[in-house]
Amino acid sequence: DGGITQSPKYLFRKEGQNVTLSCEQNLNHDAMYWYRQDPGQGLRLIYYSQIVNDFQKGDIAEGYSVSREKKESFPLTVTSAQKNPTAFYLCASLGGPAGYTFGSGTRLTVV
Amino acid sequence: KQEVTQIPAALSVPEGENLVLNCSFTDSAIYNLQWFRQDPGKGLTSLLLIQSSQREQTSGRLNASLDKSSGRSTLYIAASQPGDSATYLCAVRTDTDKLIFGTGTRLQVFP
Repeated sequence: DGGITQSPKYLFRKEGQNVTLSCEQNLNHDAMYWYRQDPGQGLRLIYYSQIVNDFQKGDIAEGYSVSREKKESFPLTVTSAQKNPTAFYLCASLGGPAGYTFGSGTRLTVV
Repeated sequence: KQEVTQIPAALSVPEGENLVLNCSFTDSAIYNLQWFRQDPGKGLTSLLLIQSSQREQTSGRLNASLDKSSGRSTLYIAASQPGDSATYLCAVRTDTDKLIFGTGTRLQVFP
């Protein structure tokens, strides 16, 4: 079945540590997105990529980095510069009549 | 700047009731509007997508309408069931392929 796979489901980060969240899709979609979800604030766009080897900052890109070396993959790195990284992170892709398709999310906690 | 608002923020109803969830947006220049469902700790599941040229879409007990000129969409749930309990999110797709979310309506349907 086509879809988006995010891993890991849960991730714990120590202070000052960089961590990378994985997002893989087999939908053959060109565009991919990373969102952050905090209680009571809805989803906010971190980064998006409309084509391989190109990406743009979203509304809250500070402290995050991405790469798009392959169409299927759009990993997100949460750097030590992100001061409040505890949140639920959602990856999505865009294509076809279904519109946006989301993964099952990664919950990141700072310990 | 596009802003999306959902009313009510929370709703608790007995099983069998017909429900209306509201979504409003400030900029009518949208490409389409998508309704999602989110269960606690899970990703988003797409329910209905309405193109800007359409007035409504239906899937089973769900019906979504769109009035682009007034910046409004409604999600109608017929004969609600406990399994419908979840958070419902609406999101508008802009002409730059960004998806702007509302903060959601948390629905609880009790037996």
